[in-house]
Amino acid sequence: SQQGEEDPQALSIQEGENATMNCSYKTSINNLQWYRQNSGRGLVHLILIRSNEREKHSGRLRVTLDTSKKSSSLLITASRAADTASYFCATDPMLTQGGSEKLVFGKGTKLTVNP
Amino acid sequence: DTEVTQTPKHLVMGMTNKKSLKCEQHMGHRAMYWYKQKAKKPPELMFVYSYEKLSINESVPSRFSPECPNSSLLNLHLHALQPEDSALYLCASSHPNGPEYNSPLHFGNGTRLTVT
Repeated sequence: SQQGEEDPQALSIQEGENATMNCSYKTSINNLQWYRQNSGRGLVHLILIRSNEREKHSGRLRVTLDTSKKSSSLLITASRAADTASYFCATDPMLTQGGSEKLVFGKGTKLTVNP
Repeated sequence: DTEVTQTPKHLVMGMTNKKSLKCEQHMGHRAMYWYKQKAKKPPELMFVYSYEKLSINESVPSRFSPECPNSSLLNLHLHALQPEDSALYLCASSHPNGPEYNSPLHFGNGTRLTVT
């Protein structure tokens, strides 16, 4: 069963705007990860945030984690057409011994950045 | 380009065929994964190998048979598949589980499988 639920399911913005995607999950986690998938390709890891962290940055990406609300957000600033892709959150449930062997993916947000 | 290589990129097979999907990585990762992804859906975990031993089988039908010949290679043997098995099959690798790692997955670009 899916652990994470992203919203919105689809997001269309203009180049230069910021894009925010949200992820909610159900059980306690070791960490939460965000991945990007271009059409017909594999997933690419973007950023990992541990359960004891609240915010993390990587380039134009900013991820927040609120374990009390069991939610996370991914912010992409100054978006580019090349950011067009599907974005998935993935949770590492604390039921496992740790690490990402049982990583569970959310349904994803399809982001379209119009030039 | 990904550091996890999957072959073939595309595969069309009949329901009576036997075929294999192959995956290779040279990042020294000791955990390898098979995921299945249907169109517009998230990846679903099928199998996990940790140190060349099968550690997770997510109740996958026996017509899918994984094999890990060594730490760099992962195969998925296919036999008597059904049309509903058509999907993108993704291989991934990572450091094995353990609180010291929290290791992300590295994915290949997948094999697009069509069962006719």
